[in-house]
Amino acid sequence: DIQMTQSPSSLSASVGDRVTVSCRASQSINIYLNWYQQKPGKAPNLLIYAASSLQGGVPSRFSGSGSGTDFTLTISSLQPEDFATYFCQQSHSTPFTFGPGTKVDI
Amino acid sequence: QVQLQESGPGLVRPSEALSLTCTVSGGSFSSYYWSWIRQSPGKGLEWIGYISYSGSTNYNPSLKSRVTISVDTSKNRFSLKLSSVTAADTAVYYCARDNLGENALDVWGQGTLVTVSS
Repeated sequence: DIQMTQSPSSLSASVGDRVTVSCRASQSINIYLNWYQQKPGKAPNLLIYAASSLQGGVPSRFSGSGSGTDFTLTISSLQPEDFATYFCQQSHSTPFTFGPGTKVDI
Repeated sequence: QVQLQESGPGLVRPSEALSLTCTVSGGSFSSYYWSWIRQSPGKGLEWIGYISYSGSTNYNPSLKSRVTISVDTSKNRFSLKLSSVTAADTAVYYCARDNLGENALDVWGQGTLVTVSS
């Protein structure tokens, strides 16, 4: 299985901050990397697919980059509704696997 | 817009089978893969497997011996059966739509908590 790691595991930020979350795969996954946001008690919500493609309806302050083994999710200006946990997921090969998550709070 | 809704028992006895159904409404059923994912505090998000409209399946090897995913195209729904459950199978179970091209999970159900306990 492809192992996914994320850093940091949590971070504290303020409204308006630029926030960066990193994700690393244990082997090359090309651009088959997706990012999700999850709020407490809710299902994950797809933000970015194929490393850098913005899912419809997702604000443009979210962006993704990377290829191979190293990927980044960036929130350009953190908004109050962005405080949540963010997960990466590789869809290069089954079993699809998720990172452990990065919690963004105040 | 497409919506997914999980249904099934919230409590399952150890060694018995867990059975859940996901009903899809408001969109095409034939153009996607349909997935099950679970989330527990100890193991995070775990992909269980997916099924296509035609019934082709792909399971996580860690669960393959105990998992069956089936589809009922006449009712736009798909189901999960996990046999011989233990406390380690206690989790929130989600169904989700796999967008096929990138295998991103673009629509999710609200999730249902299944507790394994006697």
